[in-house]
Amino acid sequence: QQQVKQSPQSLIVQKGGIPIINCAYENTAFDYFPWYQQFPGKGPALLIAIRPDVSEKKEGRFTISFNKSAKQFSLHIMDSQPGDSATYFCAARSNYQLIWGAGTKLIIKP
Amino acid sequence: GAGVSQTPSNKVTEKGKYVELRCDPISGHTALYWYRQSLGQGPEFLIYFQGTGAADDSGLPNDRFFAVRPEGSVSTLKIQRTERGDSAVYLCASSLLAVSYNEQFFGPGTRLTVL
Repeated sequence: QQQVKQSPQSLIVQKGGIPIINCAYENTAFDYFPWYQQFPGKGPALLIAIRPDVSEKKEGRFTISFNKSAKQFSLHIMDSQPGDSATYFCAARSNYQLIWGAGTKLIIKP
Repeated sequence: GAGVSQTPSNKVTEKGKYVELRCDPISGHTALYWYRQSLGQGPEFLIYFQGTGAADDSGLPNDRFFAVRPEGSVSTLKIQRTERGDSAVYLCASSLLAVSYNEQFFGPGTRLTVL
């Protein structure tokens, strides 16, 4: 019940395309859903986050869509660029503890 | 200002040895977290400090792992009798407060390799 399932494991998209990464959870106690971006050799950095009372949040080229009834949320990257190539993690938080997905390695081809 | 820093960046040790990993959180952050990230996986929660005390150490895999934060700032993760399975990147994060919506800021991690 504590798991967060993330897919796909890897994704290759042409520059300008819209990669979509999906996550699903079971625990209804989760009340905060962040997405992190991680470059090789670096720690994860918060990209964008959403609370479950909102169905969509947009920040720049990044959008989270949240479906509370389905217990699913997804990250969309508009107008993707080669610099967006990184590993993306979804997470879910209850109080202070973050439960993470397994990550999606995204490659944006020039 | 300075972010979360971790030292060393890399640590290679032999099976059975003792290691210490250090984390310097962002100044003023009261909450500090340790995570372990195995290759190809998301970070896994180990322990959380609120101030000087370990508020939740339920993620520590066994009693070979121990962490301290004696003055409520710097924290040290200690691993005794290291095993090859302990090889991973150990991440530290801090947040201003330990409430759900407070962003956790991560350090670059310490890559531990146990030979």
